[in-house]
Amino acid sequence: KQEVTQIPAALSVPEGENLVLNCSFTDSAIYNLQWFRQDPGKGLTSLLLIQSSQREQTSGRLNASLDKSSGRSTLYIAASQPGDSATYLCAVREAGRRALTFGSGTRLQVQP
Amino acid sequence: DTGVSQDPRHKITKRGQNVTFRCDPISEHNRLYWYRQTLGQGPEFLTYFQNEAQLEKSRLLSDRFSAERPKGSFSTLEIQRTEQGDSAMYLCASSLVDTINTQYFGPGTRLTVL
Repeated sequence: KQEVTQIPAALSVPEGENLVLNCSFTDSAIYNLQWFRQDPGKGLTSLLLIQSSQREQTSGRLNASLDKSSGRSTLYIAASQPGDSATYLCAVREAGRRALTFGSGTRLQVQP
Repeated sequence: DTGVSQDPRHKITKRGQNVTFRCDPISEHNRLYWYRQTLGQGPEFLTYFQNEAQLEKSRLLSDRFSAERPKGSFSTLEIQRTEQGDSAMYLCASSLVDTINTQYFGPGTRLTVL
């Protein structure tokens, strides 16, 4: 059974810092990996999707990397801003399935 | 608004009552998914449809839960004889039938069972 773990569970940083969120998964037979953002009490917003054949994806200040063989992904946020405060969720789609398996998320607070 | 919509956004009910939630996917999306999210956890997969066919169900979907997508457009999720443990956010997502299969999520329905 696929298990997804995110470390740390919570993170508080001052504005302007660069930061890294970690995601690990137990079964490397994945089709793709997706990073989402969730604001309190809201739905999920897709940030980046990395196919299993890719190593990284970039969107603005966000960069996500994937090392499928070691079962790891990182989300790098450059020059953090208070508006980045949210919970960040990592999810994998296993080969042959449509469902996503999520981690528990990293709750990020960026202090002004 | 062309995103995924869900109704109601909030539902408070008493234990033992039945509740029904609705999800309207993005119009051209053939696949529709239901997830459940409890406080402090990531979403957990419940079921998914391709058009009107329900193709996968999680073991989390007990016999008190039923989902339908009768015309391949909107979907409903019904919970019968609700229990306090059913209190959660119920999220709907939709996607195209393509190789990437990016899922787009709605705002969710928060259920509180008293």
